Amino acid sequence: KQEVTQIPAALSVPEGENLVLNCSFTDSAIYNLQWFRQDPGKGLTSLLLIQSSQREQTSGRLNASLDKSSGRSTLYIAASQPGDSATYLCAAIGNQFYFGTGTSLTVIP
Amino acid sequence: GAGVSQSPSNKVTEKGKDVELRCDPISGHTALYWYRQSLGQGLEFLIYFQGNSAPDKSGLPSDRFSAERTGGSVSTLTIQRTQQEDSAVYLCASSLDQGARRTEAFFGQGTRLTVV
Repeated sequence: KQEVTQIPAALSVPEGENLVLNCSFTDSAIYNLQWFRQDPGKGLTSLLLIQSSQREQTSGRLNASLDKSSGRSTLYIAASQPGDSATYLCAAIGNQFYFGTGTSLTVIP
Repeated sequence: GAGVSQSPSNKVTEKGKDVELRCDPISGHTALYWYRQSLGQGLEFLIYFQGNSAPDKSGLPSDRFSAERTGGSVSTLTIQRTQQEDSAVYLCASSLDQGARRTEAFFGQGTRLTVV
């Protein structure tokens, strides 16, 4: 069974810092990997989808990379802002979405 | 609609009652997923519909849970004889899957179910 782990579980940084969130998965036979953010009491908002044939995707200040062979993905957030505070979830996509337990990010003004 | 719509947004029910949760996926999306998220827990897969194929029900926690998808669009998740441990946020997602190609999934805002 696919196991997805996210490190760190929680992260607190001052505004303006660049940061990296890590996601690892045990089964490299995935279709894609998708990153989401979840604000308290809300649903999931899609950030980036990386297809299995790709190595990275960029959207604004976000950059996500994928290394299928090593079972790892990273989400890089540049110049963090207080509005980035949320829980970030990665999902390895096979027959279903296998979610990690998330990284809770707090950006301090 | 512009996104995945779920209703109701909140539901409080008495233990033992049946509840129905509704999901309207993005128009044209062939794949539909149900997940639930308990307080402080990760997302738990419940069921997956893909086109006209038989749904993957492997995540349903008990036979009190069932789901259907009518006309390849709207889906209803039904929980019979609700228990307190059913209290959670139930999330629906849809995507435009094409065969083995999985595309970006979009989630609704969820239904917060509280069983008292």
